[in-house]
Amino acid sequence: DADVTQTPRNRITKTGKRIMLECSQTKGHDRMYWYRQDPGLGLRLIYYSFDVKDINKGEISDGYSVSRQAQAKFSLSLESAIPNQTALYFCATSDLDAVDNEQFFGPGTRLTVL
Amino acid sequence: AQTVTQSQPEMSVQEAETVTLSCTYDTSENNYYLFWYKQPPSRQMILVIRQEAYKQQNATENRFSVNFQKAAKSFSLKISDSQLGDTAMYFCAFLVFTTSGTYKYIFGTGTRLKVLA
Repeated sequence: DADVTQTPRNRITKTGKRIMLECSQTKGHDRMYWYRQDPGLGLRLIYYSFDVKDINKGEISDGYSVSRQAQAKFSLSLESAIPNQTALYFCATSDLDAVDNEQFFGPGTRLTVL
Repeated sequence: AQTVTQSQPEMSVQEAETVTLSCTYDTSENNYYLFWYKQPPSRQMILVIRQEAYKQQNATENRFSVNFQKAAKSFSLKISDSQLGDTAMYFCAFLVFTTSGTYKYIFGTGTRLKVLA
């Protein structure tokens, strides 16, 4: 079984709709992250959380919100989706005690906003 | 500001040959980590190799090695004996906890590598 899972894997929605992307992990890591990937731009950090009560904005948080429901769950919401939020979204985790902060990624969610 | 630059959008290499992917970065911080991640067509991101900035010795993982030049802020990835399975997008990434207390994990724009049979 995958250590970091994301649902859904693919989603097509319309402008103005509310969308939630979910991430679950079985690695027991405290730290979780949401990124978006766009062609030619690499990965950009949207939000990150170092524990259940900790939420931090990343590089591109406008238009997004997150919820850390439990250590193992970290959801990303688009309150009113717009076409330029069409992208590949990745959830990642890392271990608080790991010196090198390697990140472990989920399989990604491809979101299309029409 | 922290930045990561990958100047080669696409590269190709013949199977069994060696290829080097370049990465430069900019930071005023002294302690940080550098990574190369691989993203095959399956789109799963996989760590290839990591380097701690305080270590002078270049990291090596089997066929993958880095040339870390701290003064030049350069972190290139060398793939030896290239295999068809190495075909992927490769991202250079940089992690630092800044002196102001913020966390920065920054990715480059990627280099698409194709290994030719």
